[in-house]
Amino acid sequence: SQQGEEDPQALSIQEGENATMNCSYKTSINNLQWYRQNSGRGLVHLILIRSNEREKHSGRLRVTLDTSKKSSSLLITASRAADTASYFCATDKYGNKLVFGAGTILRVKS
Amino acid sequence: EPEVTQTPSHQVTQMGQEVILRCVPISNHLYFYWYRQILGQKVEFLVSFYNNEISEKSEIFDDQFSVERPDGSNFTLKIRSTKLEDSAMYFCASRGTRDYGYTFGSGTRLTVV
Repeated sequence: SQQGEEDPQALSIQEGENATMNCSYKTSINNLQWYRQNSGRGLVHLILIRSNEREKHSGRLRVTLDTSKKSSSLLITASRAADTASYFCATDKYGNKLVFGAGTILRVKS
Repeated sequence: EPEVTQTPSHQVTQMGQEVILRCVPISNHLYFYWYRQILGQKVEFLVSFYNNEISEKSEIFDDQFSVERPDGSNFTLKIRSTKLEDSAMYFCASRGTRDYGYTFGSGTRLTVV
């Protein structure tokens, strides 16, 4: 299985602090993607990092990928209450499906 | 911004009945997918569809399930003879090429009673 697994399972921080979530996976991949899901809602694509990339930025998001350790991290800087959601990493091995991890529940307190 | 549209947002059905979940992918996308998420669990891959045929399916996607792209715009998931354990959120997704992220719909919450 190429499943991605996130840690921590849950994270609670104050508004303005940074949030870091980690993801590990088991097999080689084509790319790794991060998604956000607000409670009971759909999945929103945040960022994609290819297997030959090591770091990527998008606004307040920073993603790293270490293929030797089969791990990735998502950093959200200067968090806001609106960032409260579940965050999932998902791996794409052949470009034909995503395998999701269990997710990290992030709560940002104002 | 283009969206993937799913209907209905919530469907309640009796055990043993057939349901059809509908999706309208983004118009110029070529790859289509169904995923499901049982409450409190991971998002699970069901099936991928490209060039009018299934390109991959998971173990979950057994003979009870079928997909169809009947008219070039809609993409449907049919579940025959629903079971209680089919209760879940079903997500449709599409993408244009293999190098881009997926666009997911808002999901259909299926409740089998």
